[in-house]
Amino acid sequence: NAGVTQTPKFRILKIGQSMTLQCTQDMNHNYMYWYRQDPGMGLKLIYYSVGAGITDKGEVPNGYNVSRSTTEDFPLRLELAAPSQTSVYFCASTHRLINQPQHFGDGTRLSIL
Amino acid sequence: AQSVSQHNHHVILSEAASLELGCNYSYGGTVNLFWYVQYPGQHLQLLLKYFSGDPLVKGIKGFEAEFIKSKFSFNLRKPSVQWSDTAEYFCAVNSGGGADGLTFGKGTHLIIQP
Repeated sequence: NAGVTQTPKFRILKIGQSMTLQCTQDMNHNYMYWYRQDPGMGLKLIYYSVGAGITDKGEVPNGYNVSRSTTEDFPLRLELAAPSQTSVYFCASTHRLINQPQHFGDGTRLSIL
Repeated sequence: AQSVSQHNHHVILSEAASLELGCNYSYGGTVNLFWYVQYPGQHLQLLLKYFSGDPLVKGIKGFEAEFIKSKFSFNLRKPSVQWSDTAEYFCAVNSGGGADGLTFGKGTHLIIQP
């Protein structure tokens, strides 16, 4: 089982560049999430989606955008990269039924220079 | 808003020692509680979870946690740690039906010395 797949694994961007972090899951999960993990900190929720066509902001959404055109895919876009967005980004998903834990991808390590 | 506090940021133990990692949360309603582990260079893996029922929860790899509602705590325990338990441990909480995004603690970096 592939589970939650994130690409790329590593990326270096220059300030002001844009990029899209890809996330796809093959478990038919309705709910998907994007988190960022900064050194010495826990993960913080950026955006989440409860189904195709529905997205909502989490705790730290500024500087990011998401879309959910299909159940499987939940890309995260950085329009104007800033050094403060240097972080490790994790995508996660879970089923709509209650009492289901979130499954995480391997993460994308992003550096903005 | 929910918050999660993990008491120890760094813990160093010898093999076979007993482990207890503290976790407290703040939220007045019904919560779902989780412990995740992150081995070096890997993604987060679920150790155990609590939604309801028996407050003593058993997880993988010999870990267990006890939910004490009156103390808003969900401490992680293991009677005898192994070198392979070296990792980052995160306590997390969400509310409602369990589909909300998770609120994480800052993590505890556990180092087991052989």
